[in-house]
Parts: sequence; structure tokens; C-alpha cells
Amino acid sequence: GAVVSQHPSRVICKSGTSVKIECRSLDFQATTMFWYRQFPKQSLMLMATSNEGSKATYEQGVEKDKFLINHASLTLSTLTVTSAHPEDSSFYICSARESLGDRGSSPLHFGNGTRLTVT
Amino acid sequence: AQKVTQAQTEISVVEKEDVTLDCVYETRDTTYYLFWYKQPPSGELVFLIRRNSFDEQNEISGRYSWNFQKSTSSFNFTITASQVVDSAVYFCALWDSGTGGFKTIFGAGTRLFVKA
Repeated sequence: GAVVSQHPSRVICKSGTSVKIECRSLDFQATTMFWYRQFPKQSLMLMATSNEGSKATYEQGVEKDKFLINHASLTLSTLTVTSAHPEDSSFYICSARESLGDRGSSPLHFGNGTRLTVT
Repeated sequence: AQKVTQAQTEISVVEKEDVTLDCVYETRDTTYYLFWYKQPPSGELVFLIRRNSFDEQNEISGRYSWNFQKSTSSFNFTITASQVVDSAVYFCALWDSGTGGFKTIFGAGTRLFVKA
């Protein structure tokens, strides 16, 4: 089955530093990847849609300059949390949909998530 | 506008009980897809089922079954003879062609506790 690898699974960083999270589709090509954020005991909130070879599309209220997304290839998207603050601490999850003829039919395949703690 | 409502925040059952997780959705599209995902304590999201709007047949997979009712815009999930390993958060999700960008919207989730 389709596998999405997300790295790192956990990261602790100091306030003011930047953290990069990688999301790779291992056995399929993903022209579009999605980045979600999940607060404790809450649902997944879509942050942005990452498009291969073009700029990401951010959801309302998500700061583009703080959450930098790069989708350099069909199998890799990265999320960089810049100048991290304690309020950025959260669970970040990437997902990708297989590029099928009917784009709506493929379920999202999720990475295992990255738990970010900013001290 | 799209919306997914999972009214049950938490459910607690004893092992071997049957449990139904409710999901009500809103969409203006006639073509859409519904999903259920499981999130165990470890955090990863596990895909359980996908159903498109033109297929109202109910589905059974082992102890899991799904009841799709377009008339009530519901896509409920039943676990029969629940087990401790079923303890997780379950998310219902909706994708429709009207969102642009092919976004999947998630409900708030239902946390299921299965006690031994």
C-alpha cells in the first residue's frame, strides 16, 4: 500500500530556532501534499496544500512566513517552522493523495506525524 | 459549505459491546467522498474506509460496518464486539469537488474507550 514517511517523529527545539519536517511518499508520486496541525484532543486542522513545483496554498489564518512549505519533487514536501515559539508546539501531520485519474477517490495517506515541542 | 459533525466527543464501552460512532456531513455537491480514519494513541492516522456519494450500499469488514444514508446525510460507523485495541480517536472526513484544491475536511473526532 501507499506509504508516507514523515521525519522526524519528535523534535524539541529552543524558542527562536527553526525546525524542518520532511514528508516523503515512498512508493507513489504525489503532486499534492497536505499539511495538518493537531492540538491535543482536537481534530486535524488543514494548514496548507503543497503543490509540486509551485507555491503552497495556505489556509486562512496560517502565517506563510512562519510555516514555509517547499514541494521540490513529486515525492518530497517539507515544512519549516521558522523562529519557533512555544505556541507552535503541536502535532504536525503530512498527507498525500495518490495521483489517480479520479483525484477525489484516493484516500489520504498520512505520515506518522511530528510532535514538536518548543521550549 | 462543507461540514462534518461528530456529535459524540467521547464514548466509553466495555469489551464485547457494540458501539456506533455517528457522522453527519454537509455538502452542496452531488459528487463527494466520505472517509473514516482511526488515530490510535501512537498518533498515526489509519485509513479505514472510503465511500463515494453514488454508492449507498452498506459495507462490512470484519467487526466493522458502515451505514451510509444520503437521506439523512449520515455515515455512521459500528464496531461489533469491541476490543481494547479499538480504543482510539475516530475521524469522519469529507471530500467534495466543490472545495477546490481537493481538500479533505475532518470532523472533530470521537474518542472511544474500550474497557476490559
